[in-house]
Amino acid sequence: AIQMTQSPSSLSASVGDRVTITCRASQGIRNDLGWYQQKPGKAPKVLIYATSTLQSGVPSRFSGSGSGTDFTLTISSLQPEDFATYYCLQDYDYPLTFGQGTKVDIK
Amino acid sequence: EVQVVESGGTLVQPGGSLRLSCAASGFTFSDYYMDWVRQAPGKGLEWLGRVRNKPNSYTTEYAASVIGRFTISRDDSQRSLFLQMNSLKSEDTAVYYCIRVSGQKHSRAFDIWGQGTMVTVSS
Repeated sequence: AIQMTQSPSSLSASVGDRVTITCRASQGIRNDLGWYQQKPGKAPKVLIYATSTLQSGVPSRFSGSGSGTDFTLTISSLQPEDFATYYCLQDYDYPLTFGQGTKVDIK
Repeated sequence: EVQVVESGGTLVQPGGSLRLSCAASGFTFSDYYMDWVRQAPGKGLEWLGRVRNKPNSYTTEYAASVIGRFTISRDDSQRSLFLQMNSLKSEDTAVYYCIRVSGQKHSRAFDIWGQGTMVTVSS
């Protein structure tokens, strides 16, 4: 199975900060990577798929980049509603695998 | 409104069986692949498996942790997805999510999630 390693596992940031989360695949996955946001007690929601395609309705402060094995989710200016846990997901090969998550909380 | 709603979660004894259901509405269910994902208490997300649509012969894929124990099926006439879980273990305790998968290969998204249904495996 492809292993997805996210970093950091948690971070503290302030409103307005630029935040970067990375995800590394144990083998190449082309651009088959998505990013999901989960708030406590809620189901996850998709932010970005195919590495860099913003899901409809998602604010443009979210962006994704990368290819092959290394991928990045960037929040350009953190907003209060962005404090949540973020997961990457590779859908290049079965079994699909998530990263372990990155919790973003308030500094 | 486009939505999926899970049901069937409950307390079950180790070794027991349970069938989860997911009712879809607001979209043409038969067009889509459908997945299940779970989340153990305080833990991350774990993909469980997929059932493809009729043009793709309703074929399935599974995570290694559930192969031989869990079966995913669908009934397009009822707009429903199912997860049959057998030989349940304590480590299967989790919230189970039903998910609509949109897009094509190399451009797919888990775009619609249910609210989840809680399964507790305990004696």
